[in-house]
Amino acid sequence: GEDVEQSLFLSVREGDSSVINCTYTDSSSTYLYWYKQEPGAGLQLLTYIFSNMDMKQDQRLTVLLNKKDKHLSLRIADTQTGDSAIYFCAELDSSASKIIFGSGTRLSIRP
Amino acid sequence: EAQVTQNPRYLITVTGKKLTVTCSQNMNHEYMSWYRQDPGLGLRQIYYSMNVEVTDKGDVPEGYKVSRKEKRNFPLILESPSPNQTSLYFCATAGVTGYTFGSGTRLTVV
Repeated sequence: GEDVEQSLFLSVREGDSSVINCTYTDSSSTYLYWYKQEPGAGLQLLTYIFSNMDMKQDQRLTVLLNKKDKHLSLRIADTQTGDSAIYFCAELDSSASKIIFGSGTRLSIRP
Repeated sequence: EAQVTQNPRYLITVTGKKLTVTCSQNMNHEYMSWYRQDPGLGLRQIYYSMNVEVTDKGDVPEGYKVSRKEKRNFPLILESPSPNQTSLYFCATAGVTGYTFGSGTRLTVV
């Protein structure tokens, strides 16, 4: 079945770039998403990318999509303490009836 | 402001006592959905609705019911809650470019 996988933890130094990686299985996905969840809060849509794009940049965020390898990444430039959160990779399933989430990557920032 | 409103935010209840979590959206979207979030499992879809009076099971529908009598509301009903339904629940609606989630309902069943 469809699946989205991502590593559980990432620790980076403040000011460095963070790169969160994700792999997915449904090659017919049309939309792929990155959501951010801060402690005790809901899910915030950070960015999305259409499946016919390779890259999308939005201020400090860069999304790279490798359709051949079904690999999605989120790069956060100049990581700040406010970026501490859980980041979820997600894909819109082929029926468009749901989005399938990865288990989330917890990003921690060290001084 | 476009938003999805869930109530309550927190709920502690006892096994077997029926409860309803409400969800309302002001975006006039046809699609609405419920997810539960559990540690290490990410978010899993419970039920979804493509339009009024149209509901379908998601990945983990057991123990839940939903109704969609009007476009803006999509309540989640637990007829006889059990401890394994202790979780963080999110309602969502979807437009062209993505899903908008409510703030979540943290449910504890003792």
